[in-house]
Parts: sequence; structure tokens; C-alpha cells
Amino acid sequence: QVQLQESGPGLVKPSQTLSLTCTVSGGSISSGSYYWSWIRQPAGKGLEWIGRIYTSGSTNYNPSLKSRVTISVDTSKNQFSLKLSSVTAADTAVYYCARMSARKLCFDYWGQGTLVTVSS
Amino acid sequence: SYVLTQPPSVSVAPGQTARITCGGNNIGSKSVHWYQQKPGQAPVLVVYDDSDRPSGIPERFSGSNSGNTATLTISRVEAGDEADYYCQVWDSSSDHPHVVFGGGTKLTVL
Repeated sequence: QVQLQESGPGLVKPSQTLSLTCTVSGGSISSGSYYWSWIRQPAGKGLEWIGRIYTSGSTNYNPSLKSRVTISVDTSKNQFSLKLSSVTAADTAVYYCARMSARKLCFDYWGQGTLVTVSS
Repeated sequence: SYVLTQPPSVSVAPGQTARITCGGNNIGSKSVHWYQQKPGQAPVLVVYDDSDRPSGIPERFSGSNSGNTATLTISRVEAGDEADYYCQVWDSSSDHPHVVFGGGTKLTVL
């Protein structure tokens, strides 16, 4: 059974960079059948896709966040990571990592989510 | 940018049928996926590729997609179905292909 687990600071200061890591277990992140994504959800609001990465390192980002987002992959550790720069209070949200089927383009496994608060 | 429109809320009595819509321009030409999210939990995929169900999802959950509207149908609604539901597509129509989620629909079981 594939499991994803987010980790990283729960509090980030405004203007700084938010950094999160997702550790994948029960399956290889190098599988060519999947993309690896980040999704966020502000309290009481809907889901917002941040971006995805393929095992090759190829990425796609949400156009509205593209200028501030970097997603990377470390196949040796079976992890992928998110960096979001110049954060503001509007970036406060629960951040999820998820596996996306390369064929169906839907998310079949999700992490439990981690709350990141942007505050001084 | 492609937009998916969902009603904010849908209410249904136990045992009845709930229909949650997801509107988008020519959405019938795209594959639509649906997620169920209960409070404090991560979303769960309940329907993919318009009408297929992942393993473990009850047959009560079904989907359809045509024209400008996709629909998630939940038959014989149970109290445990109360949750937020989101539709999702992959928008490949622009120079920057990306995932689009609907705004979500809160299903209330009366």
C-alpha cells in the first residue's frame, strides 16, 4: 500500500520561503506510471493545485503560482519537495502531497496533509 | 483559464439520490474525476474518468459527463456520505497545462 507523508516547518515568516518534503513509501517514486504533486487548501476553502513533477524531473506548475514555486525530486530518498518563495498570509493552508496517475491524470493516493501558517 | 463551477451545497434525505454537478466549457471532451473530503481528512478519489470507480468505492457512487456538465450521482444516500465533493480535470488547452479543481460542493444529509 502506497503511503505519502508530508514534513516540514508548520510556521513560516512572511517574505520567507516555505519548504516541505513528501516521503513516499510502499512504492518507488521512480515508477514511470505516476506524477507527484502538491495541492493546498486554505481553511474553509477549496483545493488548489500547486504543481507536479515526473521522475525525470520534468515539472508543471499552476500558472498563478509559477513564479514562486519549485518542485524537485530525490529518487535516492524516494522523496519530492516543494519550495514556495515570498510567502504571505494568503499562503497559509493545509498542504497535501499526492500521487497522480500518468494515464488517468487523477490523484489516487494522498498524504494526510500538513498545516503551514505564515505569520511573524 | 479553464473554470469548473459547482453548486456550493446540495441537501438530500437519507435513502434518496444526490446529484452534484460540475460545469465547464465543453467539459464532455475532458475526463472528469471526483473526490470526497470529510472534515479533517485528505480527499479520497471516488470516481475517475467520468464514470469509473476505484477499488473499494461503493457502487452507489456513479458519474456521467456530457456537453457542458459532469454529474456525480450518489444513490441511496447514507449519513456517512456527508462531505465536501470536488470535481477535477486536466486542462491541456493552454501553453501551461495544469490541474483544475471545482470550488467544491457540501453535501448535507438531512
